[in-house]
Amino acid sequence: EVQLVESGGGLVQPGGSLRLSCAASGFTFSSYEMNWVRQAPGKGLEWVSYISSSGSTIYYADSVKGRFTISRDNAKNSLYLQMNSLRAEDTAVYYCARETMIVGIDPWGQGTLVTVSS
Amino acid sequence: DIQMTQSPSTLSASVGDRVTITCRASQSISSWLAWYQQKPGKAPKLLIYKASSLESGVPSRFSGSGSGTEFTLTISSLQPDDFATYYCQQYNSFPWTFGQGTKVEIK
Repeated sequence: EVQLVESGGGLVQPGGSLRLSCAASGFTFSSYEMNWVRQAPGKGLEWVSYISSSGSTIYYADSVKGRFTISRDNAKNSLYLQMNSLRAEDTAVYYCARETMIVGIDPWGQGTLVTVSS
Repeated sequence: DIQMTQSPSTLSASVGDRVTITCRASQSISSWLAWYQQKPGKAPKLLIYKASSLESGVPSRFSGSGSGTEFTLTISSLQPDDFATYYCQQYNSFPWTFGQGTKVEIK
């Protein structure tokens, strides 16, 4: 069974940093592209970042470019999101999700809540 | 960026109703469109990919159609478990973008 389990969320002050992790199991992690998608409380879904299977290709949403860094460790079956210079508007549930060319983004993890507040 | 516009934002319907949700892209995305269902406190669940392909395990009352810029998600006979929020998403070109969501409520 494919499983994606996020961790690392919590309460952080504006300007602070946080590193999210996503542990993958049940599939060959190194063969798949991965994404981070977030959802602010009561709001819709917003794509955040993409990384190719090898890590050689990376994209970011304009809203996080220059502040967030996506990375992966295929030996550890893990995906990461380093979030710096956090703002109140970054408050959201952050989901990691697998991607394939045909199907798109699926499945998704259960999400981890990041709250940016003083 | 490709803008995705869903309509309606909210839909009130009864069990057994036929329900249609529309998603429009600001430019052609061929058939690179997915539909997701999300319930409160849960992660989105894939229903339809490549505009009209039913994800394994998804009930056949769900169907998708369209290509280019106009897409629809149809629920042929609404069931109690279907009351949720539905999102479309394009994966034709980065940045991936989502519609704003359609909440299907009990009438």
